[in-house]
Amino acid sequence: DQQVKQNSPSLSVQEGRISILNCDYTNSMFDYFLWYKKYPAEGPTFLISISSIKDKNEDGRFTVFLNKSAKHLSLHIVPSQPGDSAVYFCAALTNAGGTSYGKLTFGQGTILTVHP
Amino acid sequence: DAGVIQSPRHEVTEMGQEVTLRCKPISGHNSLFWYRQTMMRGLELLIYFNNNVPIDDSGMPEDRFSAKMPNASFSTLKIQPSEPRDSAVYFCASSSDRGYGYTFGSGTRLTVV
Repeated sequence: DQQVKQNSPSLSVQEGRISILNCDYTNSMFDYFLWYKKYPAEGPTFLISISSIKDKNEDGRFTVFLNKSAKHLSLHIVPSQPGDSAVYFCAALTNAGGTSYGKLTFGQGTILTVHP
Repeated sequence: DAGVIQSPRHEVTEMGQEVTLRCKPISGHNSLFWYRQTMMRGLELLIYFNNNVPIDDSGMPEDRFSAKMPNASFSTLKIQPSEPRDSAVYFCASSSDRGYGYTFGSGTRLTVV
């Protein structure tokens, strides 16, 4: 049962244009969402996050949008740069009853390629 | 801090052999996670520990997999016996507090032939 889904395995965009990566989830108990970026031969690194009480969070060229009613979030990168080429993972977190740890559920990932 | 350290970076082994993957979390982090990356399912959580105690091992594929965390600075993931379908990249991650912004290691690429 894939609770977090990234239905696009890959995305190709031109440098300077906008990249939009999408993510859907099924578990309504998720209350915090994160995006991770992964380069080859490296571990994923945290990129940006959003709480379920918000619908938008922006950090420089990166903006994450959350549509709770649709159980959908997206990551916008604008303008896209060749260095953004990587695998992007969407992840979701449930407040584990107020305990001091959280278990992230990840999607399958989307390979972004930005062409010069 | 050197980050989360995993060893080995690459492991090639024959089917039926025992494989042990190692992880040193970031000092002070109280949660440790083992993930497996596959093309079909992305990053799958295998098991996680909080304060060295296994909290959820429901993601462990079968009895061939086992994990331990004898102290706050070391964890192992063991596969015995290994099978070709276990070939994947295995990541260890650690976090503090509510687990926001996990820090991942560089992973161990396991190939079982």
